[in-house]
Amino acid sequence: EVQLVESGGGLIQPGGSLRLFCAVSGFTVSSTFMSWVRQAPGKGLEWVSVMYSGGSTYYADSVKGRFTISRDNSKNTLYLQMNSLRAEDTAVYYCARGVTALVFDDWGQGTLVTVSS
Amino acid sequence: QSALTQPASVSGSPGQSITISCTGTSSDIGNVYFVSWYQQYPGKAPKLMIYDVLQRPSGVSNRFSGSKSGNTASLTISGLQAEDEADYYCSIYNDRPPSWVFGGGTKLTVL
Repeated sequence: EVQLVESGGGLIQPGGSLRLFCAVSGFTVSSTFMSWVRQAPGKGLEWVSVMYSGGSTYYADSVKGRFTISRDNSKNTLYLQMNSLRAEDTAVYYCARGVTALVFDDWGQGTLVTVSS
Repeated sequence: QSALTQPASVSGSPGQSITISCTGTSSDIGNVYFVSWYQQYPGKAPKLMIYDVLQRPSGVSNRFSGSKSGNTASLTISGLQAEDEADYYCSIYNDRPPSWVFGGGTKLTVL
């Protein structure tokens, strides 16, 4: 069974750093593309970052230079390192994987990041 | 990154059909076939309902269908059921550089 489980969210002050984790099972994290998608409270979905199976990474303009996506194949885990956090980064962060096409077939349950003083 | 426009809300009665539109431009929806739709219940993760404009993943009811005309993609739900009440998001993939854009979302209310 495919599972994606996010963790690492919490309350952080503006300017701080946080690392999110997405532990996967039922497949290999390096076998397909993996993304982070976020959703601010009461708002819509926003794509954040992607890592392809070959290792290429891309970011939304809103997080470029501040966030870094990575993975640990031995731990079958995807990460999102978030630096210089801002209030507008407050959101539920989902990890998702793509299998069928250039879409997100499977999602985790999300982890809430709150940036506030 | 382009913006995709969806109506904030739509409603319908059980058994009826509704259509949710997703309007972009000739540079995005009008030029690609990588249009997808997601369903999201409150407090839950999104679920893929339609990909490549009109393809349904395994397990998704055939009451859900997708289409595209010009710069507008549409999601149609036929035989509306109470369980269809949720938020729906359209999305497209851009390859230069690789990125995804979501519409603002549409809240479907089943009356």
